[in-house]
Amino acid sequence: GAVVSQHPSRVICKSGTSVKIECRSLDFQATTMFWYRQFPKQSLMLMATSNEGSKATYEQGVEKDKFLINHASLTLSTLTVTSAHPEDSSFYICSALHGGLFFGSGTQLSVL
Amino acid sequence: AQTVTQSQPEMSVQEAETVTLSCTYDTSESDYYLFWYKQPPSRQMILVIRQEAYKQQNATENRFSVNFQKAAKSFSLKISDSQLGDAAMYFCAFRPMDSSYKLIFGSGTRLLVRP
Repeated sequence: GAVVSQHPSRVICKSGTSVKIECRSLDFQATTMFWYRQFPKQSLMLMATSNEGSKATYEQGVEKDKFLINHASLTLSTLTVTSAHPEDSSFYICSALHGGLFFGSGTQLSVL
Repeated sequence: AQTVTQSQPEMSVQEAETVTLSCTYDTSESDYYLFWYKQPPSRQMILVIRQEAYKQQNATENRFSVNFQKAAKSFSLKISDSQLGDAAMYFCAFRPMDSSYKLIFGSGTRLLVRP
């Protein structure tokens, strides 16, 4: 089956630093990937659509300069949280499109 | 704009019994997809079942079935013979038929399974 790997699973960083999260499709090519954010006990909110070879499409209210998305290859999309602050602490999940949507296992970001 | 509502923050079921999770949605479109996803403590999102709006027949996957009422914009999930491993957050999700493949999630229902 289609497998999406997300790394790291958990990261703790200091306020002001940048953090990169990787989303890889292991056994298929994905021209489209999605990034979601999930606050504790809340639902998943779509942040952006990542398209291979082109700029990401951000949802309303999501700062594109804050959350940098790069989809440089058909198997890898990265989300970089720049100048992270405590309010950026959250669970981030990616998904890749391959017939249906396949989700990564998520990344818990904690900003101190 | 489409919205998905799950009015039950938490549900509890006895092992081997049946439970129904509710979901309503709002859309002006006639063609779309509906999904139920399971998020166990590992937080991995797992697709449970999907339904195409143009299909009148309710989708079924083993112990999981849906009651899709298009006119009422209702999409409930029935879990039969509940097992301890069914304990998780369940999210109802809507996807329009366009090419965006964007999912709109409900707020989720936490299912507890009593042994």
